[in-house]
Amino acid sequence: AQSVTQLGSHVSVSEGALVLLRCNYSSSVPPYLFWYVQYPNQGLQLLLKYTSAATLVKGINGFEAEFKKSETSFHLTKPSAHMSDAAEYFCAVSDFDFGNEKLTFGTGTRLTIIP
Amino acid sequence: SAVISQKPSRDICQRGTSLTIQCQVDSQVTMMFWYRQQPGQSLTLIATANQGSEATYESGFVIDKFPISRPNLTFSTLTVSNMSPEDSSIYLCSVGDRVSSGNTIYFGEGSWLTVV
Repeated sequence: AQSVTQLGSHVSVSEGALVLLRCNYSSSVPPYLFWYVQYPNQGLQLLLKYTSAATLVKGINGFEAEFKKSETSFHLTKPSAHMSDAAEYFCAVSDFDFGNEKLTFGTGTRLTIIP
Repeated sequence: SAVISQKPSRDICQRGTSLTIQCQVDSQVTMMFWYRQQPGQSLTLIATANQGSEATYESGFVIDKFPISRPNLTFSTLTVSNMSPEDSSIYLCSVGDRVSSGNTIYFGEGSWLTVV
C-alpha cells in the first residue's frame, strides 16, 4: 500500500524567504509523485509532478521539487516566498504505471506568508 | 490537458435529501475517480468508476450511500444519498491523462456541498 507523510501541518515563512514543504512517501512500486495547491475556496491545481524522468522537477509559480529515492522524499521548495503563495499544499502518490491513476494524499500543509 | 467540468459547483442541501453531482471530461478516459474533502481535511478516495462495470469503493464507502454511474467514457455521476451534516464536503472528480502530458492526474473544480 502507498502512503504519503507531510511533516508540518502549518508552515509560516516571511515574504522573500525560502519555502520548504516536506513530503515523504512509501511505495512498493516506482512511484509517481505530485504536488497540488489549493487556494482558499478553490479546487486543486497541479503544481508539479515526478514521473521517473528528471529527479529535479520544476513546476508553476517558481516551485520545484527533488525526488530522492534514497530518502523516499519529494520536498517542495521555492527560493523566495510571495504573499500569493499562501495556500494549502498537498503531496500525493500514485502507481500510475500499473493502470491505476488513483492518488493517495498526504494530510496537507497550510502555508502562511508573513509580510 | 484534460478539462473536467463538475455540476453543481455549490449547493446547500436539506438533511435527508439526495444530490447527484455530474462530472464531464473533454476526452475519453478509462477510469474516473471520486474524492471527498471534508472541511479542513485532506482528500479521500471514495470510488473508482470504470465504464461498463460497477464502481469499486474504498473502505468506509458503500454503494447505497454513494451510488455512481458511468454511462460512457466521458461522463460520470456521484449521488450523495440521505444526506446528513457530516456529508458537508467538497466532492471532486479526477481523471488520469496518459498521452498528451506524460501521465498527469487532473481534478475538476469540485462540488461544494453544505448540508443543513
